[in-house]
Amino acid sequence: QVQLQESGPGLVKPSQTLSLTCTVSGGSISSGGYYWTWIRQHPGKGLEWIGHIYYSGSTYYNPSLKSRVTISIDTSKNQFSLKLNSVTAADTAGYYCASTVTLGDGDYPYYSDYWGQGTLVTVSS
Amino acid sequence: QSALTQPASVSGSPGQSITISCTGTSSDVGGYNFVSWYQQHPGKAPKLMIYEVSHRPSGVPDRFSGSKSGNTASLTISGLQAEDEADYYCSSYTSSSTPVVFGGGTKLTVL
Repeated sequence: QVQLQESGPGLVKPSQTLSLTCTVSGGSISSGGYYWTWIRQHPGKGLEWIGHIYYSGSTYYNPSLKSRVTISIDTSKNQFSLKLNSVTAADTAGYYCASTVTLGDGDYPYYSDYWGQGTLVTVSS
Repeated sequence: QSALTQPASVSGSPGQSITISCTGTSSDVGGYNFVSWYQQHPGKAPKLMIYEVSHRPSGVPDRFSGSKSGNTASLTISGLQAEDEADYYCSSYTSSSTPVVFGGGTKLTVL
């Protein structure tokens, strides 16, 4: 069974860059059939799709965050990462990594079957 | 404001059935059979309960079922149990903006 685990600082100063890494175990990030995804949840609120990456390196970002987001993948470490720059208090949220089933690069994202436990990132000076 | 509309809360007694609705548009729920439902207990990660409108992942009790009619999808939980008390989120592929949109979530209370 695939397991995902987020890691990174829990506190980021305003205007700086939020950086998180998701380590995948129990399966190869290069095996295909998945979009490696970042989703966030503002405190007490619903879920927001941040973006995803295929093992080939193809990415898709939420248009509302696109100018500030970079998702990358390191197949040698079985990890993928999120960088969100110029953060503000509005970026304070729980951040989840997840595996989202797809038939292939560019195909529909079907559903997210495995999720990390999530990590709370607070933006504050 | 979430792209998909869910009731803020529903409740039911143990053993009863409840249904949570999720209303979208022809660009998401109505146009594709890529509706999923997630259960989230406090402080925990969401858990996939239903995918592609009505399919249950292995390990999810058959008390959970999903359906869709037009632009509205539904999650039904029959034989309510105390451990079903949680927040439930629907999601769908969308052709209009982000690839996936979520509902605002529904808090299920088991009385």
